[in-house]
Amino acid sequence: DAGVTQSPTHLIKTRGQHVTLRCSPISGHKSVSWYQQVLGQGPQFIFQYYEKEERGRGNFPDRFSARQFPNYSSELNVNALLLGDSALYLCASIRQGFNTGELFFGEGSRLTVL
Amino acid sequence: AQKITQTQPGMFVQEKEAVTLDCTYDTSDQSYGLFWYKQPSSGEMIFLIYQGSYDEQNATEGRYSLNFQKARKSANLVISASQLGDSAMYFCAMREHGSSNTGKLIFGQGTTLQVKP
Repeated sequence: DAGVTQSPTHLIKTRGQHVTLRCSPISGHKSVSWYQQVLGQGPQFIFQYYEKEERGRGNFPDRFSARQFPNYSSELNVNALLLGDSALYLCASIRQGFNTGELFFGEGSRLTVL
Repeated sequence: AQKITQTQPGMFVQEKEAVTLDCTYDTSDQSYGLFWYKQPSSGEMIFLIYQGSYDEQNATEGRYSLNFQKARKSANLVISASQLGDSAMYFCAMREHGSSNTGKLIFGQGTTLQVKP
């Protein structure tokens, strides 16, 4: 079975531009979370979506938005990019219904803002 | 506020030896979950081991074990018989409220482990 897939893997944008990142969860997983990982730090929670509804939001500005589609894939959108948005963006799906509920992560989308 | 602290920015270990990576946490919740993830240079976060706050025994998964000391709020990862492929960044994380449906984890700063041949 395929794991969590993310696209694109690498991208370069300039300040003020907009970016869309995409994520497909593991088949059968209905919940997706997004994380931002700045170089040298641990991942920071941005959003969680379950059954197309937002179920949690981290401390990020309104420039960050996301949505989930009927097939449970998800998009993360960032408007008016800043240099500080340069980071690895990780998507994770959750194996719900199990005690541990561990998150399965993709390899991430590495965004560089110039 | 919930917080995860990893005080070792970098660690070295000789191949085939055991190593302990430290993690302390802070929470007011009675029910919570603790995770360890490995992140190689590729970027993917790989799940290693899980410990629930009500689990009485320390979790083990192959060469990985979690030394859970609830009173001290510590959840150290022990890797036995280190291998060269264990060289990576390791993150300790906590899930709020203990719900297995919660997709929000709080991560520490990470520890870089280098295994020497």
